[in-house]
Amino acid sequence: NAGVTQTPKFQVLKTGQSMTLQCAQDMNHNSMYWYRQDPGMGLRLIYYSASEGTTDKGEVPNGYNVSRLNKREFSLRLESAAPSQTSVYFCAGSRSDEETQYFGPGTRLLVL
Amino acid sequence: AQSVTQLDSQVPVFEEAPVELRCNYSSSVSVYLFWYVQYPNQGLQLLLKYLSGSTLVKGINGFEAEFNKSQTSFHLRKPSVHISDTAEYFCAVVPLSGGYQKVTFGTGTKLQVIP
Repeated sequence: NAGVTQTPKFQVLKTGQSMTLQCAQDMNHNSMYWYRQDPGMGLRLIYYSASEGTTDKGEVPNGYNVSRLNKREFSLRLESAAPSQTSVYFCAGSRSDEETQYFGPGTRLLVL
Repeated sequence: AQSVTQLDSQVPVFEEAPVELRCNYSSSVSVYLFWYVQYPNQGLQLLLKYLSGSTLVKGINGFEAEFNKSQTSFHLRKPSVHISDTAEYFCAVVPLSGGYQKVTFGTGTKLQVIP
């Protein structure tokens, strides 16, 4: 099993460019999450999907959109990147019968 | 609403010495408590969790934590650290009825093990 995978690992964007961060899991997770990690701030929830076909805003959703394409995949889109979106982005998943979240390796994004 | 405080942003410790990483939380409801470890350039990995039962929880890599309800603390301890324990450690809480979308993470403690 690959677990939770994320692509790309690194990305540099110019202000105003768009991109999609991909996340996939083969752990039969019902719920999936997108977080951003900034120095001294821990992880903050951007969006989550409690089940296939549903998405909801987290703590910091502005400037982002998400798509739960199917049970396995949950993508995060930046329509017009801003320097404030420079961060490390983590995808995570969880199952309703297990009190644990599993995290992907992260995508490091730099917006110039 | 809940909050998590990790007062120590960095903790240097000599190899084979004991270490304690502190975590305090506040919440108006009962919570589950977690410790995660993040090695450089990697994602978070579950170290241990407290859901119910015994307040002393043992995790991977020789770590343990004790839940103290009266002091609202969940401090992480290891009796003898190794170089490979150098990483950042995050405490997190989840309300019992809220689901992981309600998780709150602390700001992290960087453990630096000195040879």
